[in-house]
Amino acid sequence: DSGVTQTPKHLITATGQRVTLRCSPRSGDLSVYWYQQSLDQGLQFLIQYYNGEERAKGNILERFSAQQFPDLHSELNLSSLELGDSALYFCASSAGGGGRYNEQFFGPGTRLTVL
Amino acid sequence: AQSVTQLGSHVSVSEGALVLLRCNYSSSVPPYLFWYVQYPNQGLQLLLKYTSAATLVKGINGFEAEFKKSETSFHLTKPSAHMSDAAEYFCAVAEKGGAQKLVFGQGTRLTINP
Repeated sequence: DSGVTQTPKHLITATGQRVTLRCSPRSGDLSVYWYQQSLDQGLQFLIQYYNGEERAKGNILERFSAQQFPDLHSELNLSSLELGDSALYFCASSAGGGGRYNEQFFGPGTRLTVL
Repeated sequence: AQSVTQLGSHVSVSEGALVLLRCNYSSSVPPYLFWYVQYPNQGLQLLLKYTSAATLVKGINGFEAEFKKSETSFHLTKPSAHMSDAAEYFCAVAEKGGAQKLVFGQGTRLTINP
């Protein structure tokens, strides 16, 4: 158990809908990272937040957005869903936000299926 | 931009045989390097990491990897495969001093034959 929690575990929805994925980092970690794992694209970085502020952005679609709240949990919002958005979405957390090495600890993931 | 190439999307070895999973990276300066393992229906677990200390890195479950700057490689090895090693393995890099987002290779599925 990494200490990172993600809810829900599974999500099934229809095209055009909007969903919210939630992540709670390990106690004391200030950074949250979101990754997407799909058959087409593999594992790719979406976005990072550090202490409530966006720190880095990857290949995140405009239909996707994220935020980190004062209690440090994070939410990833996916809207106007398409079949291709079906994937496993991982959240990871680390103590720091950059500079020196900070190990990332991964949650169990949320499996999103868009029908 | 950084990139990672894992040679072989599938590797099959016999139980007790040497495991060798290959990883090459592309980066203007030596980055941080990682190997993660993913068991079926589970998240990613860090096996080992290179953060510019010793070039031979030992990890969990008997795995080790050697950073070779001249070859831009970070291959993962285990002397004797066990059935429980069957999983997907990902090599990843992160830029030193940056935001440390991980860039992953495409993964190698390791199968262990009895």
